[in-house]
Amino acid sequence: AQSVTQLDSHVSVSEGTPVLLRCNYSSSYSPSLFWYVQHPNKGLQLLLKYTSAATLVKGINGFEAEFKKSETSFHLTKPSAHMSDAAEYFCVVSVAGGYNKLIFGAGTRLAVHP
Amino acid sequence: GAVVSQHPSWVICKSGTSVKIECRSLDFQATTMFWYRQFPKQSLMLMATSNEGSKATYEQGVEKDKFLINHASLTLSTLTVTSAHPEDSSFYICSASTGGSYEQYFGPGTRLTVT
Repeated sequence: AQSVTQLDSHVSVSEGTPVLLRCNYSSSYSPSLFWYVQHPNKGLQLLLKYTSAATLVKGINGFEAEFKKSETSFHLTKPSAHMSDAAEYFCVVSVAGGYNKLIFGAGTRLAVHP
Repeated sequence: GAVVSQHPSWVICKSGTSVKIECRSLDFQATTMFWYRQFPKQSLMLMATSNEGSKATYEQGVEKDKFLINHASLTLSTLTVTSAHPEDSSFYICSASTGGSYEQYFGPGTRLTVT
């Protein structure tokens, strides 16, 4: 069965410093992986996705993630945090077959301080 | 492109009444639509998957008679919370997929408060 584990429930960084949000996945096949962001009381926005192409995926707003099969990881990074990056981030894996159901991680709340 | 809307964005209803939430794909045909529930400060929990013209598939533990899902067209799915109770208060989010893609496009969500 597929699953994702977000290793940190909260991450706090200073504006201008790097961001690292960690995600490990479990899958018996080559998965499709996503990172979504949710601002307070808002819907979800897709940041980036990995679907078996390049292992380093670039997304919107300067975010990127690297798929590492040997480590079963898909960590999200950004070189320099902005105040507007403060939000909830979800790592998501797609379930094989059927209707492409998504399994969400528990989420990581990113706080950005001046 | 790939815009999904939900209506209403928020609703307050009295305990025992029913409330309907609409999910529409505005610029594409959604073969499959999904309904999620999100409790405060928690992750999204998939409630059910619906395909146009067929019965929805509910996740384990979700009462299909309480959460009625209809997917009558390729652009519209509805979730009706029947005989709502305060514990049904939550943020309900829909998403839509073209079926051939892994990607789901999410609506902005509907906040339901049952008093």
